[in-house]
Amino acid sequence: QKEVEQNSGPLSVPEGAIASLNCTYSDRGSQSFFWYRQYSGKSPELIMSIYSNGDKEDGRFTAQLNKASQYVSLLIRDSQPSDSATYLCAVRSSGYSTLTFGKGTMLLVSP
Amino acid sequence: DGGITQSPKYLFRKEGQNVTLSCEQNLNHDAMYWYRQDPGQGLRLIYYSQIVNDFQKGDIAEGYSVSREKKESFPLTVTSAQKNPTAFYLCASSFGTKGAQPQHFGDGTRLSIL
Repeated sequence: QKEVEQNSGPLSVPEGAIASLNCTYSDRGSQSFFWYRQYSGKSPELIMSIYSNGDKEDGRFTAQLNKASQYVSLLIRDSQPSDSATYLCAVRSSGYSTLTFGKGTMLLVSP
Repeated sequence: DGGITQSPKYLFRKEGQNVTLSCEQNLNHDAMYWYRQDPGQGLRLIYYSQIVNDFQKGDIAEGYSVSREKKESFPLTVTSAQKNPTAFYLCASSFGTKGAQPQHFGDGTRLSIL
């Protein structure tokens, strides 16, 4: 059984701070990792993907992958109230056609 | 504009009734997926299709059926056998199902019991 675990939160940070969201996964053969943002009542929106160990930066977002420790994280710099949403981690295992989603971490950014 | 269109946005089902949720994409994606999301829960895969005229069951296929007669369309039928259908239904698509292909989502359909 492939599992993806996320702290449900809420993670509360003040505006301008760095928000750090973490995700662990059970299948060592996992190869592709995705972060989605889901606003309340809306559908998930892809914000980052990462496939190799290390960091990948895109604007205020940085995804970090450590396959040896089986975790992937998302850092949001200069957090804004508009970043308040639930962030879903999704993982694809090698040889599998589908993604396994975590339950998501709710992020609240206070002005 | 390319995208994934789900309709209707809201749907109400009576007891014993089958209802069909529509999902159309014009992204030329090969693969399409249906997920169910309950409050406070992650996404659970109902069915997916990698190619026209072929589809596979996901983790919670019981009480649901799908068809894939055209590349662009992947309708989901919620049958009367699904006893707890109230949920947010999401359709997604991707270019492929391997490696680095991310999935992109439609706006979703909210289904409730009357």
